[in-house]
Amino acid sequence: AQSVTQLGSHVSVSEGALVLLRCNYSSSVPPYLFWYVQYPNQGLQLLLKYTSAATLVKGINGFEAEFKKSETSFHLTKPSAHMSDAAEYFCAVRDTGRRALTFGSGTRLQVQP
Amino acid sequence: EPEVTQTPSHQVTQMGQEVILRCVPISNHLYFYWYRQILGQKVEFLVSFYNNEISEKSEIFDDQFSVERPDGSNFTLKIRSTKLEDSAMYFCASKLGQGETQYFGPGTRLLVL
Repeated sequence: AQSVTQLGSHVSVSEGALVLLRCNYSSSVPPYLFWYVQYPNQGLQLLLKYTSAATLVKGINGFEAEFKKSETSFHLTKPSAHMSDAAEYFCAVRDTGRRALTFGSGTRLQVQP
Repeated sequence: EPEVTQTPSHQVTQMGQEVILRCVPISNHLYFYWYRQILGQKVEFLVSFYNNEISEKSEIFDDQFSVERPDGSNFTLKIRSTKLEDSAMYFCASKLGQGETQYFGPGTRLLVL
């Protein structure tokens, strides 16, 4: 079964600094990959998804992620953090042929003024 | 923009009681899901539902759980006899078709005392 590892349960950056949230998946066959964001007291909102069309995926709010098959990674980046980016970020994977998403444990992003 | 809605937002119940969590998926979506997130833990898949039947379920989804789409709009999760360990945030999700994005509701926070 697929698994997803998010390195770092908490990440703190300064406003304007680069955001890098790490995600590695376990699979020999590239799956569908997703990043979701959860703001306090809200549901999960899709940031971006990889479905094999392009290795660099651009999402909402200035976020992007790069699929690297050789590293089995799908790290999320944003060049310049904003205070409003403070939230919990979840990487998720869906195997082809399955309906369920498998989520990572999440990374809480703090943005310091 | 269409969204998935869930009611209630919070529910407190006594151990052994039955609870029904309600979801209204996006109106033209065909695939429906329940996930849960125990406080401080990963989001976990419970069940998927398509064409009026369960299409996939996890080990968590035992005989105490059931799902139903009683009319054309609602999608419910019933827990027959709640246990303390059922305390969690329960998320409903829906998607239009295969390969499409799952859209999540804001969640119902269930507390079993």
